[in-house]
Amino acid sequence: GAVVSQHPSRVICKSGTSVKIECRSLDFQATTMFWYRQFPKQSLMLMATSNEGSKATYEQGVEKDKFLINHASLTLSTLTVTSAHPEDSSFYICSAGGGDTEAFFGQGTRLTVV
Amino acid sequence: DAKTTQPNSMESNEEEPVHLPCNHSTISGTDYIHWYRQLPSQGPEYVIHGLTSNVNNRMASLAIAEDRKSSTLILHRATLRDAAVYYCITNFGSNYKLTFGKGTLLTVNP
Repeated sequence: GAVVSQHPSRVICKSGTSVKIECRSLDFQATTMFWYRQFPKQSLMLMATSNEGSKATYEQGVEKDKFLINHASLTLSTLTVTSAHPEDSSFYICSAGGGDTEAFFGQGTRLTVV
Repeated sequence: DAKTTQPNSMESNEEEPVHLPCNHSTISGTDYIHWYRQLPSQGPEYVIHGLTSNVNNRMASLAIAEDRKSSTLILHRATLRDAAVYYCITNFGSNYKLTFGKGTLLTVNP
């Protein structure tokens, strides 16, 4: 089946620095991808919808200047956490597909800000 | 968005069937019913989805009520590897957004 790959799987960064997470659709083209954040023992919270060739759509309460999303090609979306702080430490997950077909999720990226 | 209600947790014994319920009383006529599961520190994994008719695949079966206000995910023979959080999702926006509820934590006893 289709695969969505995320990289890196784990990252530790210093407070104030930026971190980029990549999400690739390996064998299909995805005009739309989604980014989620998951805190320990909680469910996935949708952060934004990444649209190929246009601006991302952010959910209410998500700072678009802090979580920069770029979807420059049909197989790659990136999420950059800018000026990261310890409270940004979380599990970030991307996905593609859904609706009347199955959605495919990346393996997730564990971000730790120290 | 259509909301779903699932039990917080369920427990099963290995090699026994498991029936995971989900209520979605506000589902619209064109919303699909999806089930995903998530193991710790992993992204969700697709299990099954359907619209009106019952569905079967190699992982599970999905039984959809005639009025579509509820559904049941059936694992025919639970294994230890089936222990996970199971999410039932029915709301899809124009961009196929998946909105996750709290899900059901399934524990499988050996």
